[in-house]
Amino acid sequence: GAVVSQHPSRVICKSGTSVKIECRSLDFQATTMFWYRQFPKQSLMLMATSNEGSKATYEQGVEKDKFLINHASLTLSTLTVTSAHPEDSSFYICSVPLGGASSSTDTQYFGPGTRLTVL
Amino acid sequence: GQQLNQSPQSMFIQEGEDVSMNCTSSSIFNTWLWYKQDPGEGPVLLIALYKAGELTSNGRLTAQFGITRKDSFLNISASIPSDVGIYFCAGRRVGSGNTGKLIFGQGTTLQVKP
Repeated sequence: GAVVSQHPSRVICKSGTSVKIECRSLDFQATTMFWYRQFPKQSLMLMATSNEGSKATYEQGVEKDKFLINHASLTLSTLTVTSAHPEDSSFYICSVPLGGASSSTDTQYFGPGTRLTVL
Repeated sequence: GQQLNQSPQSMFIQEGEDVSMNCTSSSIFNTWLWYKQDPGEGPVLLIALYKAGELTSNGRLTAQFGITRKDSFLNISASIPSDVGIYFCAGRRVGSGNTGKLIFGQGTTLQVKP
């Protein structure tokens, strides 16, 4: 069964509004979660690392004020796309490492993704 | 960002045929993961590899961690229509510290003709 859930699965919003996406680890606690973005027919692009109890770590070129990440608990991380614009339309996917991010045998499990469409 | 070199980019095969795809890098990796992604869904883990030379099977799927630690391949035997999808390799590079970050290949799109 699924180990990671995301909500909502798809969202359509007007330009200028903010959208919150939730990522939940269902079967285990996760001090770290990852957020990815995927454009059609492309690979996954890591946006940021969500850290429970501390600030998220953003990849180069990702605006931290645009994509707010809050790791509220050991099972929940949220990504808020602020003042969304059409170019923010994409498929957003979170992942949770099983075994710990620093484990030598860690495996990452992905959520089902959230399709964001900004009109 | 850095990506793995995954090939082929796409494959169109007949049902029943075997499939092989691979990923290579100039860097050394300590973890290789293979995922399958269906349209509109998140990637699903197929096989995880952690040791050089490791050969692991999952049903009709077999993957190997290259001896040089710079490559990995995935084989699918006797393909069936439900094998259709995009296959991604992903790896954790030696020297990436304890970030847990993965580097992804560009994906191999597989189409199977019944």
